[in-house]
Amino acid sequence: GAVVSQHPSRVICKSGTSVKIECRSLDFQATTMFWYRQFPKQSLMLMATSNEGSKATYEQGVEKDKFLINHASLTLSTLTVTSAHPEDSSFYICSASGSGGLSYNEQFFGPGTRLTVL
Amino acid sequence: SQQGEEDPQALSIQEGENATMNCSYKTSINNLQWYRQNSGRGLVHLILIRSNEREKHSGRLRVTLDTSKKSSSLLITASRAADTASYFCATAADYNQGGKLIFGQGTELSVKP
Repeated sequence: GAVVSQHPSRVICKSGTSVKIECRSLDFQATTMFWYRQFPKQSLMLMATSNEGSKATYEQGVEKDKFLINHASLTLSTLTVTSAHPEDSSFYICSASGSGGLSYNEQFFGPGTRLTVL
Repeated sequence: SQQGEEDPQALSIQEGENATMNCSYKTSINNLQWYRQNSGRGLVHLILIRSNEREKHSGRLRVTLDTSKKSSSLLITASRAADTASYFCATAADYNQGGKLIFGQGTELSVKP
């Protein structure tokens, strides 16, 4: 149980375009979802926290107008990178935390999405 | 913001040896978690230790937590080539369910057959 999927797993786009990444909890209700960014050989940096039905809370230094997060249901959150530029190229990982018997405060991570902006 | 420091940054050992990774953090925590990440993949949750626990075991993994020193260690015994991966500690300060995690810099473990 506690499986989180991400789609797409890999995306290449041109500079200036927008890219949407989906994060789904497959077998539990995710009351909270988190979005992380990871550059090569580095750790995960939290970008934002989203709770179902409310606006996302962004970490300091993360542009909310550039990284649009929607958490419209208990099983789906989306991250849209708007007007992507080469410096946005990174590995984006989502995680989900929820209720229904899951361990307190345990997050379940998706497999990640590799974004390359040309 | 990153609050975890891990050492060593990279560790290379022979199969069968034990691997120890350390993590230090700066603020009070509710729990500390260890994750493994294979190259280019998502994270796999290994173990969670709460602030009122001092040691926890799971298979070949042993985690200790010293809240007075704000540090934790992960010991992998009898390592295997398949243990080759990056290992991250992450701290949760939130008392609400689903609190955000702050990750350490990670240790890159290489186990040679």
